[in-house]
Amino acid sequence: GENVEQHPSTLSVQEGDSAVIKCTYSDSASNYFPWYKQELGKRPQLIIDIRSNVGEKKDQRIAVTLNKTAKHFSLHITETQPEDSAVYFCAASMDSNYQLIWGAGTKLIIKP
Amino acid sequence: GAGVSQTPSNKVTEKGKYVELRCDPISGHTALYWYRQSLGQGPEFLIYFQGTGAADDSGLPNDRFFAVRPEGSVSTLKIQRTERGDSAVYLCASSFQGAGGYEQYFGPGTRLTVT
Repeated sequence: GENVEQHPSTLSVQEGDSAVIKCTYSDSASNYFPWYKQELGKRPQLIIDIRSNVGEKKDQRIAVTLNKTAKHFSLHITETQPEDSAVYFCAASMDSNYQLIWGAGTKLIIKP
Repeated sequence: GAGVSQTPSNKVTEKGKYVELRCDPISGHTALYWYRQSLGQGPEFLIYFQGTGAADDSGLPNDRFFAVRPEGSVSTLKIQRTERGDSAVYLCASSFQGAGGYEQYFGPGTRLTVT
């Protein structure tokens, strides 16, 4: 079955700098890759997603890139702000209305 | 509109007891998912419903776990003979099965503690 690995487990960046979180997946049939943000004690919330027919997607300060050949995708956050501090999860699915296989999460810490 | 809701928000039970966790999805969402999240980990898939039927229950850890969705809306996750290892946050999500409907919307979760 599908396996998703996520790195790093913790990322500390200075406010205003960029943050990059990377994930790899194992099953080439996966075609949907969402990123969720989860604040302590809260529900996961979708921040951006990408489908396998595109290589990059951007939404204001957040972007996701996908390399299907290498089976990896990355989350890029620019101009980080204190409110970006949270745990970020990547996930993969073979159909966007089907089960998500999740990475282990990255705790992002924004230092003032 | 209202999001996904889950009740109870917290449940403490003794080892060996039976518990039911409820999920109320977004109105009109035909797909419903249950996940389990242990501390410091990503959610783990348990079961997926499409309408009233369980389309995939391969994530249920053993036969103590069972879920239903009799009318294609509210779902109940049932755990028999609870064990301390069942302690986790149980998350429910729903999505709209249709053109452009891909995002899974999550509920706030039920924190289950088995003592």
